Parts: sequence; structure tokens; C-alpha cells
Amino acid sequence: GAVVSQHPSRVICKSGTSVKIECRSLDFQATTMFWYRQFPKQSLMLMATSNEGSKATYEQGVEKDKFLINHASLTLSTLTVTSAHPEDSSFYICSARAGLDRGGVETQYFGPGTRLLVL
Amino acid sequence: AQTVTQSQPEMSVQEAETVTLSCTYDTSESDYYLFWYKQPPSRQMILVIRQEAYKQQNATENRFSVNFQKAAKSFSLKISDSQLGDAAMYFCAYQEDSNYQLIWGAGTKLIIKP
Repeated sequence: GAVVSQHPSRVICKSGTSVKIECRSLDFQATTMFWYRQFPKQSLMLMATSNEGSKATYEQGVEKDKFLINHASLTLSTLTVTSAHPEDSSFYICSARAGLDRGGVETQYFGPGTRLLVL
Repeated sequence: AQTVTQSQPEMSVQEAETVTLSCTYDTSESDYYLFWYKQPPSRQMILVIRQEAYKQQNATENRFSVNFQKAAKSFSLKISDSQLGDAAMYFCAYQEDSNYQLIWGAGTKLIIKP
């Protein structure tokens, strides 16, 4: 199957600093990528939908100035957590829409996630 | 709005036995897709199996099969011959035919007893 990478896999930063997380589709082009946040022992919470060449669509309650998303190319989307605080510590997962597969089903592939710890 | 419910926070099964994980959903749409994803301790989401709503035949992938009851809006996952490597969080997810967003259930933690 298609591969999605995320970098870094884990990051520790000081409160008040900004952190950038990259999501790359390695062997396919993704016009749409999704960013999720996952708290321990909980489900995935969709933060925003990232579309190549246009502004991201944020879910209700997600601060767009806090979580900056850029989808500058068909293979790369970035999530920047600005002025990070301890409450931003979480596991962030991206997925990339790969279009219709051989079975004619819209398919998403997931990155391995990024663990963010803000001290 | 569409919702997905997994009523079993945790399930345990003896190795080599069969276990069924439950999932119900609510939608007014007729065309949609349903998925089961596995999230092992590595936290990498892995697609286990999927079902197209227009297909009456239940999907099967080796030891994994589903019982899709469209009228009852039920989508359970059966794992046969459970293996230690099956231990993980299992998430049920719904996707509309016209919308690429996934709606997620709360997850079920599956424990395999050796």
C-alpha cells in the first residue's frame, strides 16, 4: 500500500516555542490530507482538512491561529503548533487521501504519528 | 450528524479463540463505507477491513470478517483464531460516499490471553 511519513516522530519543546510537524505522501500525490489529534486511550479527533493550494478547513473548536496548516505541494502538508503550551502535548496523526483504489473505494493512508511533549 | 458507537471499551479473548467486536452507526445516507482500523502499541493506524454499503456480501480478509447489517446499522468485526499480534485498539469508522472525512468510534481495546 501507499506510504505516508511524518517527521519528527517525537519532539520535546519548551513552552512558548513553535513546533512544525511534516506529513509526506511518499509514493502518491495527495490533494487532501487530514490532521488528527489523539489523547491517550481515546479516539482520533479531526483537527483540520488540508487541501493543496488552498486554506485548510478547521473543525469547530480548533484554533486556526494556534495550529497553522500549510499544504504547499501534492506530497507535503505541515502542521505548526505555535506558542506551544503543556496542554498541546498530544499525539498528532496525519492521513493522506489517495483517491480511488482498485476496488473503487476512496482510501486514506495514515502516517505513524508524532508525539509532542511541551514542557 | 453521523455517529459511530463502539460500546465495548475492552474485550479479552484466549489465544486461538474467536472474538467479535461491536459497532453501530447512525446515518440517513444510503451510500457509504465502513472500516475497521487497528492501532497497535506502535500507534500506526492499520486498515483491517472495509465494507461498501451497497454490497450485501460481508467482507472477509483472512481471519477477519464482518457482519454488516445495513437495516440495523450494525457493523461487527469477527476475528478468528486470535493471535497475540492481534492485541491492539480497534476503531470502527464511517465515511460517506461524497465526503472523505472519517467518523470514528471510541475504540475497543482487544487483549489476547496466551
